[in-house]
Amino acid sequence: QVQLVESGGGVVQPGRSLRLSCAGYGLTFSSYAMHWVRQAPGKGLEWVAFISYDGTMENYADSVKGLLTISRDNSKNALYLQMHSLRAEDTAMYYCARESNDHGAFDYWGQGTLVTVSS
Amino acid sequence: QLVLTQSPSASASLGASVKLTCTLSSGHSRHAIAWHQQQPEKGPRYLMKVSSDGSHSKGDGIPDRFSGSSSGAERYLTISSLQSEDEADYYCQTWGTGLYVFGTGTKVSVL
Repeated sequence: QVQLVESGGGVVQPGRSLRLSCAGYGLTFSSYAMHWVRQAPGKGLEWVAFISYDGTMENYADSVKGLLTISRDNSKNALYLQMHSLRAEDTAMYYCARESNDHGAFDYWGQGTLVTVSS
Repeated sequence: QLVLTQSPSASASLGASVKLTCTLSSGHSRHAIAWHQQQPEKGPRYLMKVSSDGSHSKGDGIPDRFSGSSSGAERYLTISSLQSEDEADYYCQTWGTGLYVFGTGTKVSVL
């Protein structure tokens, strides 16, 4: 059974950094592209970052370019999101998601980790 | 620009059916989309992929009362025999070259 488990969220001051993690279970982690998606309180889903199965390609939403870095360690079945210079508008639930190998849909999601940017 | 449009809300009675629509922006009518369900206070759950020809492939464990279809630039999700646990937000999602887009979501209420 595929499981994605995020961690690392919390309350952080504006301008500080934070690293989120996502652990994958029940899947051949190194075979799948992975994503981070966020959801601000009371709002919809917003895709923020993509990384290829082998970590050689990355892409980011325009709204977060230069502020987020996605990475992975396939030896640990782990996905990461390094968040820099956090702003109040980065307050959101952050989800990791697996991209299907057959198409671009996100076919498994984690339960999310909450990041609150506040002084 | 690749954009997905959804109505903000829909409702139907317990046991009835509801059909949700996701409309692709001009020039993108052949894109496949995916439907995701988000129950209150939970993470999203993948329901199915819907192709431009109306074929669909469901995620693991998705009940038969969830089905997908297409017409032109519109992609549909039909929920039959509505149950209380179907009260949720439903998002469509599509993808392009290095780009991933969500619709704004439809909140389904079960009366």
